[in-house]
Amino acid sequence: GAVVSQHPSRVICKSGTSVKIECRSLDFQATTMFWYRQFPKQSLMLMATSNEGSKATYEQGVEKDKFLINHASLTLSTLTVTSAHPEDSSFYICSARPLQTSVAYNEQFFGPGTRLTVL
Amino acid sequence: EDQVTQSPEALRLQEGESSSLNCSYTVSGLRGLFWYRQDPGKGPEFLFTLYSAGEEKEKERLKATLTKKESFLHITAPKPEDSATYLCAVQARGDSNYQLIWGAGTKLIIKP
Repeated sequence: GAVVSQHPSRVICKSGTSVKIECRSLDFQATTMFWYRQFPKQSLMLMATSNEGSKATYEQGVEKDKFLINHASLTLSTLTVTSAHPEDSSFYICSARPLQTSVAYNEQFFGPGTRLTVL
Repeated sequence: EDQVTQSPEALRLQEGESSSLNCSYTVSGLRGLFWYRQDPGKGPEFLFTLYSAGEEKEKERLKATLTKKESFLHITAPKPEDSATYLCAVQARGDSNYQLIWGAGTKLIIKP
């Protein structure tokens, strides 16, 4: 149980294009989904927190117009990197927190990550 | 300020050599402390949640313990497949978003 998928796993795009990453909770409904970015040999950096049906809350220094987050249902959140540039190349990981009615509602379950390379 | 510090940064062990990883934390009211395992190029895999001092949880060769200031992840007779980065995170009781505050991780290498 508690499986989270991400698609695509890898994407290479040209500078100036937009890329959409999907995050799905496969066997549970998620109250909250989180988007992280991870640089090589570093820990996870939280980008934004989103609750279903609400606008995402972005961490300080994260441009909300560049990293668009949509959380349209209790099992799906998307991150769109708009007008991507080489400095946006990174490993993006999502996580999902089960509903308050779940025994695991405190926990976050992670997707496998998406490696974005912008040329 | 809420903070998590993990030590050591890296640990190299021989197969079968038991040891412990440390996670020290300061948080304004602990809701929970979490351990994850992360393999290269993958997302973190959930291991344990600990909620109160004195609590212990076990899974195969891993055992996590919690005090009011730190947590230990004990690994007994490790195997090469236990090699990974182990991440510790805490959650503050007053956080309505249930965000995690992360340590930098300990990279564990088990040599056959």
